[in-house]
Amino acid sequence: RKEVEQDPGPFNVPEGATVAFNCTYSNSASQSFFWYRQDCRKEPKLLMSVYSSGNEDGRFTAQLNRASQYISLLIRDSKLSDSATYLCVVKLDRGSTLGRLYFGRGTQLTVWP
Amino acid sequence: DAGVTQSPTHLIKTRGQQVTLRCSPKSGHDTVSWYQQALGQGPQFIFQYYEEEERQRGNFPDRFSGHQFPNYSSELNVNALLLGDSALYLCASSSGYGNTIYFGEGSWLTVV
Repeated sequence: RKEVEQDPGPFNVPEGATVAFNCTYSNSASQSFFWYRQDCRKEPKLLMSVYSSGNEDGRFTAQLNRASQYISLLIRDSKLSDSATYLCVVKLDRGSTLGRLYFGRGTQLTVWP
Repeated sequence: DAGVTQSPTHLIKTRGQQVTLRCSPKSGHDTVSWYQQALGQGPQFIFQYYEEEERQRGNFPDRFSGHQFPNYSSELNVNALLLGDSALYLCASSSGYGNTIYFGEGSWLTVV
């Protein structure tokens, strides 16, 4: 079983739409959670960290449910520039894999005009 | 302040050859991790270097080896290249186990 599971999509939505991505993780020792954005043929870039209480950054809202080992990302009022692949990432902060990032396979989003 | 720099950006190798990829971490960072990203997949952890030693290793064969230099820069070496080694190789730098992790633009390796 993979450490991080994500629906690969693709998601194709019109501008202005709201879209949600989900992922699940298998290791309950996971301590840090992130969403990364990756543009075509570019490196991943941190979009936002995910905190237990949920957090918001402009049009982006991230949620974490530790009991269900589930992470979500909500994008409101989608823009053309949001088109990218969104990677769900967990990091173990103890044990032999301390500091290692585990990536989901990514969810591809295309926003059309 | 330069971020993470990697070289070369693109290269083509033949099966059986060897390749060396290089990474200079962001200024002030002492930990370098390498990831392999195959097409359509998320990055997979190869190994991590700290204080010139391999601190952790992912599920990759011994054909994958690395090195970290006193200035914290790092190399990834892959021997006996296979077609399946074709991927984007990403270098990530951080300070210790910190959550602030920066990726380089990657090295695209094509094995033919």
